Parts: sequence; structure tokens; C-alpha cells
Amino acid sequence: AQTVTQSQPEMSVQEAETVTLSCTYDTSESDYYLFWYKQPPSRQMILVIRQEAYKQQNATENRFSVNFQKAAKSFSLKISDSQLGDAAMYFCAYNEYGNKLVFGAGTILRVKS
Amino acid sequence: GAVVSQHPSWVICKSGTSVKIECRSLDFQATTMFWYRQFPKQSLMLMATSNEGSKATYEQGVEKDKFLINHASLTLSTLTVTSAHPEDSSFYICSAREGHMNTEAFFGQGTRLTVV
Repeated sequence: AQTVTQSQPEMSVQEAETVTLSCTYDTSESDYYLFWYKQPPSRQMILVIRQEAYKQQNATENRFSVNFQKAAKSFSLKISDSQLGDAAMYFCAYNEYGNKLVFGAGTILRVKS
Repeated sequence: GAVVSQHPSWVICKSGTSVKIECRSLDFQATTMFWYRQFPKQSLMLMATSNEGSKATYEQGVEKDKFLINHASLTLSTLTVTSAHPEDSSFYICSAREGHMNTEAFFGQGTRLTVV
């Protein structure tokens, strides 16, 4: 079974600085998708960024970018120019084509002003 | 992106009663819907997967008679917590996906259930 591991229960970052959240996963598949979701205090799940495994180029969405290392099965999220609104719980997730999402345990991100 | 509406946002019920939570896809046909349970500061735990018109597939350890899931139409799935007890108090989240092979799922806003 596929597993997703987030080894950082909590992280802190100063406003305007950069932070990286770690994620590793385990799979024997070659085609799959990886996601980072944000869950703010409202608890609404928000898709931050998505990466297709067959694409070598790392996905970017404005201040959010990933470092996807397929051989190492690593998928970290970098948040640049951190803002107070970035404070939330972040979940890394794995999905095979058409199957269910497998979530990591989550990382609570605190942003200091 | 697509919108998934979950109702109610919060509900309080008495122990022994049943409560129904609705999950609607507003602007797409949700071929597959997922129901999750989340405890404070923890990850989402998948309870069941439902495909329109067929019986839900429950994850191991989830009581199917306790958590009834109905996916009668392409825009509506319901989760009924039967004979609720205080230990059923939790945050329940649904998500919906269009098409069997799509990968992106859209989430409802969640329902906080408190059983007293």
C-alpha cells in the first residue's frame, strides 16, 4: 500500500521569509500524482499545487513551488515570501490515476509577524 | 474550480439519534464521492468511497451499518450517522471527483458533529 510521510509536525517561519515543508512517499507505480493541500482554521481544504509524476519540471504556483525528486520519492513544498495568511495545516497527498487520495499526517505552519 | 457544498456546517444531536450530512457538487457531475473523518490536528481518515448508483466501499474498520452512505445521483451523496454516540463527535469532510479516472477531487467545507 502507498504511504505518505510528513516528518515535520510543526514549522515556523518569519513573515516574508521562505520555508520548506517535507514529504516522502512510497509507491511501486511509475505514473501517479502528488498534491499539497492547505487547511486553514476554517478547515476548508484548498489545493495549493499539483505535480504529475511523468513531468520532470517542478510545478510552481506564484509563491509556491515544489522540489520533486522521483527517484528519492520526495516531494517538498517551498513557500516564498511567507504571509500571515499562509498559516495553516499543510497536507501532502498521493494519488494514482482514478484511485483515492492518500494523505500524510500534516504539518502545522505558523507564520510570525 | 468546481464547487462542493456540504450541509450542515455544524450540528449538535442527542445520543441515540441519527443525523444526515449532505454533500452536493454544484457545477459538475460527481461520479465519485469520498467521505472523511478528521480529529483535531490530525490527518483526514478516509471512511468510504461511493460511486453513483452503486454501494459504497468502506475502509477497514469503518462500520457500514453505523455510517450509511447513499450516492443516489450524480450531484448528491449523503452520510447518515445512525444511533450517534459521543465518540462519533468529529469533523466530517466530503470530496467529489468528476469522472472515474480524474485525479483532482474538490472538497466540501466540512461538518462538525457534536453528540451530547
